[in-house]
Amino acid sequence: GAGVSQSPSNKVTEKGKDVELRCDPISGHTALYWYRQRLGQGLEFLIYFQGNSAPDKSGLPSDRFSAERTGESVSTLTIQRTQQEDSAVYLCASSPQGVSNTGELFFGEGSRLTVL
Amino acid sequence: DQQVKQNSPSLSVQEGRISILNCDYTNSMFDYFLWYKKYPAEGPTFLISISSIKDKNEDGRFTVFLNKSAKHLSLHIVPSQPGDSAVYFCAVYGGSQGNLIFGKGTKLSVKP
Repeated sequence: GAGVSQSPSNKVTEKGKDVELRCDPISGHTALYWYRQRLGQGLEFLIYFQGNSAPDKSGLPSDRFSAERTGESVSTLTIQRTQQEDSAVYLCASSPQGVSNTGELFFGEGSRLTVL
Repeated sequence: DQQVKQNSPSLSVQEGRISILNCDYTNSMFDYFLWYKKYPAEGPTFLISISSIKDKNEDGRFTVFLNKSAKHLSLHIVPSQPGDSAVYFCAVYGGSQGNLIFGKGTKLSVKP
């Protein structure tokens, strides 16, 4: 596709349920990032995949959060036993080779998660 | 502990005037400094960046200034246009990290 695609665009779930969010990066982009933006906050780094290297999981807030990436394509972010504080917009971004000297990441439109 | 701070949550400017958005950072090891722009219900889009070896980078109406001694970054938009109304995020990159670190954003409103 032309850009980074994320699904679902909106998800409402009940506390305690598991959710999966999907990201299709731009074709050929080896680097993929997940961020989240809670209401009134900035973009919070979650996890970073670069090629076949081990992912940088240093931003994941708890062990309820996990992410996988199949090769250099689709990634899924899974949140288990969702809590109300998980409510946020989850943003996926990709880039050709990590953060280049221009620093440009290409973001999707995000998946808005609401936990009731 | 915030590594990137945007202390003004909002800014209102008249069309045609200059908009100045500010950002402070804590780590002198960062290599690149960036500004992203975000409209509601859209993902952030890259606007302009500057390397740590420079102190100014200009692209059309947008200029980014870097003051390394003060660990301060600013974005100037001149002349401001109503379409510039958006949230602007400052971001930094470098050191041992492979990701961008973002500030909380400043919401710019340009009034006609």
